[in-house]
Amino acid sequence: QKEVEQNSGPLSVPEGAIASLNCTYSDRGSQSFFWYRQYSGKSPELIMSIYSNGDKEDGRFTAQLNKASQYVSLLIRDSQPSDSATYLCAVKSGGYQKVTFGIGTKLQVIP
Amino acid sequence: DADVTQTPRNRITKTGKRIMLECSQTKGHDRMYWYRQDPGLGLRLIYYSFDVKDINKGEISDGYSVSRQAQAKFSLSLESAIPNQTALYFCATSDLQGNYGYTFGSGTRLTVV
Repeated sequence: QKEVEQNSGPLSVPEGAIASLNCTYSDRGSQSFFWYRQYSGKSPELIMSIYSNGDKEDGRFTAQLNKASQYVSLLIRDSQPSDSATYLCAVKSGGYQKVTFGIGTKLQVIP
Repeated sequence: DADVTQTPRNRITKTGKRIMLECSQTKGHDRMYWYRQDPGLGLRLIYYSFDVKDINKGEISDGYSVSRQAQAKFSLSLESAIPNQTALYFCATSDLQGNYGYTFGSGTRLTVV
């Protein structure tokens, strides 16, 4: 079992819709959770971080964490073509606070 | 200027050559990392350094070495490049706790022919 799992996609949504991106992780001791956006050929950019169960909202983005189910998600409301990118889930855990990345989900927002 | 600068941006090298990728940061962070990214495999950790005197191997360190010349500088070397080291390489930094995530450099696209 991979430490951080994501569906590679592509996930296609129409412009204006809600995009839902999902991630599961294997280490129950994981402490911090991050979502990065990566445009093709560019570096990952941090867009959300979440540390406790529940929802965290920032503009059109909402991160959701459920530690009991070992599940973290990212919702993008009112999706725009400029949101088309690969979204990486990252999980921090362990004594050395190691961060493990998922392979990323490619999102395509169709105009 | 970018917070994390990587050089070169692109490099084509021949099998067997030694190559160095450089990274410098202005964030004042102690922690620095080298990752490689391959399609379908995601980001994989090569080496990481928590301070100038603390360097650790990541999950795929074979064939690579690093040097932490200063708090702000962390270089990655491929001692004898091979074609399966063709990848996109990223340097990243974080603060002591890493709770604010990583700041990545713009990447080096390396091709070994």
